[in-house]
Parts: sequence; C-alpha cells; structure tokens
Amino acid sequence: DQQVKQNSPSLSVQEGRISILNCDYTNSMFDYFLWYKKYPAEGPTFLISISSIKDKNEDGRFTVFLNKSAKHLSLHIVPSQPGDSAVYFCAARRGYNTDKLIFGTGTRLQVFP
Amino acid sequence: DTGVSQNPRHKITKRGQNVTFRCDPISEHNRLYWYRQTLGQGPEFLTYFQNEAQLEKSRLLSDRFSAERPKGSFSTLEIQRTEQGDSAMYLCASSGRQVPQGTDTQYFGPGTRLTVL
Repeated sequence: DQQVKQNSPSLSVQEGRISILNCDYTNSMFDYFLWYKKYPAEGPTFLISISSIKDKNEDGRFTVFLNKSAKHLSLHIVPSQPGDSAVYFCAARRGYNTDKLIFGTGTRLQVFP
Repeated sequence: DTGVSQNPRHKITKRGQNVTFRCDPISEHNRLYWYRQTLGQGPEFLTYFQNEAQLEKSRLLSDRFSAERPKGSFSTLEIQRTEQGDSAMYLCASSGRQVPQGTDTQYFGPGTRLTVL
C-alpha cells in the first residue's frame, strides 16, 4: 500500500528554467510533509517542509505547495541549477503520535546546461 | 562535522553471519530513527528511539533485527543470520524537539550499505 506516490521517476530540465516535482498521497491523516534531496552514496538531505495547516512554504529557490483537497503537493525549484541534479523524495508524517516518515519512491531530476 | 555519522559505510557479509551497524546522532538530538532503502525505493521506516526508549517498531523489523540505544546517545542495529534479502542501505536519522510541537525535521546520516552474499 503506497501511501505516498511520486509518479514521475525522472525529470529533465534546462538550467535556469523551473523544475516542478509532484507528489500525491492517500492518507488524509498526514499532517506534515517534507522534501529531501539525495545524491548517490549519500543520505537524504532535508530541503523544505510544510505543515498541513499551510498551503505554501518558500525558502530561497525552493517552494512547496500543498493542496489538501487533492492530496497533492509539489516542489518548485526556480531557477534550476546543474547542482540540483539528484533524486528528490517526498515524505509524509501521520499525526503527532508517531514520528515515522513515509517516503515516496523518488524522482530523479537532471538539470542540463 | 556535527552531522549524523554512521559506521561502517559499507559491509559485505556472507549469508548467515551477524552484522552490527552504529549510528551517532547530532549531539543535542533526543530522537533517533532507523530506515532501510532498497534500489528504486524510498527509505522505509524500521524503528525509532526517544532517548533510550524504543517507541515504535515496524513490521519490517523481524525477530532477526534488534536495535538499541543504551545511553540515549549512539545506537546500534544488529541483524542476525543475515539473508540476501537484507541487502540494502541502512539509514539513520536524528531529530530534536522543536516548536511547534510535532514538526521535528529528521536529519539523515550517509548510510551503511549492506551486501549479503
């Protein structure tokens, strides 16, 4: 039962343009969402998060949008840079009684010059 | 470096052997988590500790797996009688209590890659 889904396994974007990574979830009890970036042979690196009480959070080039009615969130990176090339994971947490994160399968972003 | 550290980074073992991994969290963090990641998948939760107490365990954590955090600092994950299906990246993360409550960010270590032959 895949509760967090990233349906695009890969995305290719030109440098300077916007990258949009999508994530869908099925559990309406999720209250906190995070995006992580992962380079090969390294652990995931935290990028940005959003609480379910908000619909947008911005940090520099990264913005996360949350649409609760659609159970959908997206990560926007603008402008995209070659160093952004990595695998991006969406993760969700279900309520305050547990701290465990449920991850999607990831989207590989490639930013080309 | 004050991030999460894990040792060893790589471990190759033969089926049936026992292995133990260590995780040192960020020093002020009281929560510590173990995840497992296989090829093409996202990390899957195994277990987590608050201080020395193990608060939650996944069904993925079979009887062959045991995790400890005896003094509320570093943690060990032991796998007994390893099987080829145990081959994966084992990730450790830590977090500290922040305001607002329940919005802790988990910071990950570099992982230990286990290969069972």
